[in-house]
Amino acid sequence: EPEVTQTPSHQVTQMGQEVILRCVPISNHLYFYWYRQILGQKVEFLVSFYNNEISEKSEIFDDQFSVERPDGSNFTLKIRSTKLEDSAMYFCASRGTGANYGYTFGSGTRLTVV
Amino acid sequence: AQSVSQHNHHVILSEAASLELGCNYSYGGTVNLFWYVQYPGQHLQLLLKYFSGDPLVKGIKGFEAEFIKSKFSFNLRKPSVQWSDTAEYFCAVTPPSGNTPLVFGKGTRLSVIA
Repeated sequence: EPEVTQTPSHQVTQMGQEVILRCVPISNHLYFYWYRQILGQKVEFLVSFYNNEISEKSEIFDDQFSVERPDGSNFTLKIRSTKLEDSAMYFCASRGTGANYGYTFGSGTRLTVV
Repeated sequence: AQSVSQHNHHVILSEAASLELGCNYSYGGTVNLFWYVQYPGQHLQLLLKYFSGDPLVKGIKGFEAEFIKSKFSFNLRKPSVQWSDTAEYFCAVTPPSGNTPLVFGKGTRLSVIA
């Protein structure tokens, strides 16, 4: 079964540093998402991406965050200057359309900001 | 705005007990409904989904859910739980069209004891 792949599985970074989280969505999916889950809390929507642009973003997704699909396969989330409160599990998801409608989530990247 | 309510924060059951986890949503239109499971330290996995048709949906691992439109509910059930069902369970909802992202409930932690 097709999978969404995320790297790295765990990243530790110092406060103020930039991090890039990488995702390879399912190849024939057109919609891509980033979600995060702070430890012990619910899964929160960050941003959705379609046709090479952001289609929707939440209040969490401020100027410190950006997404891009640089090469047609990878889908990245960049945090420019990490804060302690950015520590969370970050999940990438992709969604098919029509008969392939459904969300598939990656295994997540655990980001720890120290 | 959509919201998803999961009534139980933490449920503790003995093995072989029956399970029902509540989920209600607030959205007036036609929706797609999902239940995801997150085993300790792992990513979100789809248990089952409802798009249309028979309101009783069967998923993996013996789980099922019933969509009751008049009650805006999509409760998850399992007749006999096992220790391996210990996990966090998330209900999620999205409209069927466009790119509106999944909205998750806060999750219900299920602990199954021997």
